[in-house]
Amino acid sequence: NAGVTQTPKFRILKIGQSMTLQCAQDMNHNYMYWYRQDPGMGLKLIYYSVGAGITDKGEVPNGYNVSRSTTEDFPLRLELAAPSQTSVYFCASSYGAASPNEQFFGPGTRLTVL
Amino acid sequence: QKEVEQNSGPLSVPEGAIASLNCTYSDRVSQSFFWYRQYSGKSPELIMSIYSNGDKEDGRFTAQLNKASQYVSLLIRDSQPSDSATYLCAVNIPTNAGKSTFGDGTTLTVKP
Repeated sequence: NAGVTQTPKFRILKIGQSMTLQCAQDMNHNYMYWYRQDPGMGLKLIYYSVGAGITDKGEVPNGYNVSRSTTEDFPLRLELAAPSQTSVYFCASSYGAASPNEQFFGPGTRLTVL
Repeated sequence: QKEVEQNSGPLSVPEGAIASLNCTYSDRVSQSFFWYRQYSGKSPELIMSIYSNGDKEDGRFTAQLNKASQYVSLLIRDSQPSDSATYLCAVNIPTNAGKSTFGDGTTLTVKP
């Protein structure tokens, strides 16, 4: 199993550009999450999904959008990139609320907005 | 008050010593507790989970949970330089749609 994969690993955007961060998991997990981590800080939840077709906002959703059309994929869309979105983005997955909800993380995408 | 608080750190211990990492949480209905290790520039990796009061041991790692005091800790015995990382405490509340709340992490340095 590849686990949780993310692409790209690094990206530099100009202010106002848009992009999609890709995330996929092959563990048949129901729950998927997007976090951002600023330097020296913990993880902040952007969006999460409890299954295909179901998404909800986390604590910092502004400037982002998500979709979940399949169990495997959970892309994160950045519209009109701003310098405040410079961060490392992690995608994670877990079996679901019925389980202890141990989360498995992808390798991350380091995004810089200039 | 933050939902999950950890030692502000950084924490430095000599090789071979016991490193003690602490975490408190605010919501009494929390049920699942996790410790993730994050090496610099890498993603978090689950190293311990604990669900019942008491101690849980796995190799050199021991997680301790005290729900009455809303406190969870991680002890690392015989610390090695390879244990140098940031340790994130995470708490799962069953009514929280499966979401975990993470602390800001404690950075541990083990000096040879």
